Amino acid sequence: AQKVTQAQTEISVVEKEDVTLDCVYETRDTTYYLFWYKQPPSGELVFLIRRNSFDEQNEISGRYSWNFQKSTSSFNFTITASQVVDSAVYFCALSEETQGGSEKLVFGKGTKLTVNP
Amino acid sequence: DSGVTQTPKHLITATGQRVTLRCSPRSGDLSVYWYQQSLDQGLQFLIQYYNGEERAKGNILERFSAQQFPDLHSELNLSSLELGDSALYFCASSVGRVSYEQYFGPGTRLTVT
Repeated sequence: AQKVTQAQTEISVVEKEDVTLDCVYETRDTTYYLFWYKQPPSGELVFLIRRNSFDEQNEISGRYSWNFQKSTSSFNFTITASQVVDSAVYFCALSEETQGGSEKLVFGKGTKLTVNP
Repeated sequence: DSGVTQTPKHLITATGQRVTLRCSPRSGDLSVYWYQQSLDQGLQFLIQYYNGEERAKGNILERFSAQQFPDLHSELNLSSLELGDSALYFCASSVGRVSYEQYFGPGTRLTVT
């Protein structure tokens, strides 16, 4: 079965520091998708990014960047110049095909990021 | 705002009771997923519907059931509630059955006393 490991349970940084959140996954599928979601203190889950297994290019969106390395089964997330508003729990997720030909998401346990002023 | 709506936002009920959680997907989305988030189990997939049909089942208890109606809204029914069912229940929607990002609603926080 698919598995996502986010080894960092909690990270605390000071504003303007760069921070990297690690995500390691296990899958037997040759085609799969990886996701990152943000859960701020208000509780909703906010979609950040989706990458497919064939696209290993790094992606940058503003202060956010993602590094996908198939060789190490990792999909790490870096926030540059962190801000207090980045404080949240971040979840990495992996798509898993189901018997009905559909797909579900398998989530890691999440990393709680606290950015202090 | 993801465009996915869930009601109610909070629900407090007693053990043994039955509750219904409601979800309206984003306009145009045909798939609805239900997830449970608890402190000990994390975020777990419960069930998926696509255009009215059940497509995938995860760790959903037999006391729980769901359906998707012709207007594509979905309901999750939880019965014979136990203390351990207290959790945040999320609904998500996506355009298709597979390989699309899922957009999550704000969640329903269920407290069983």
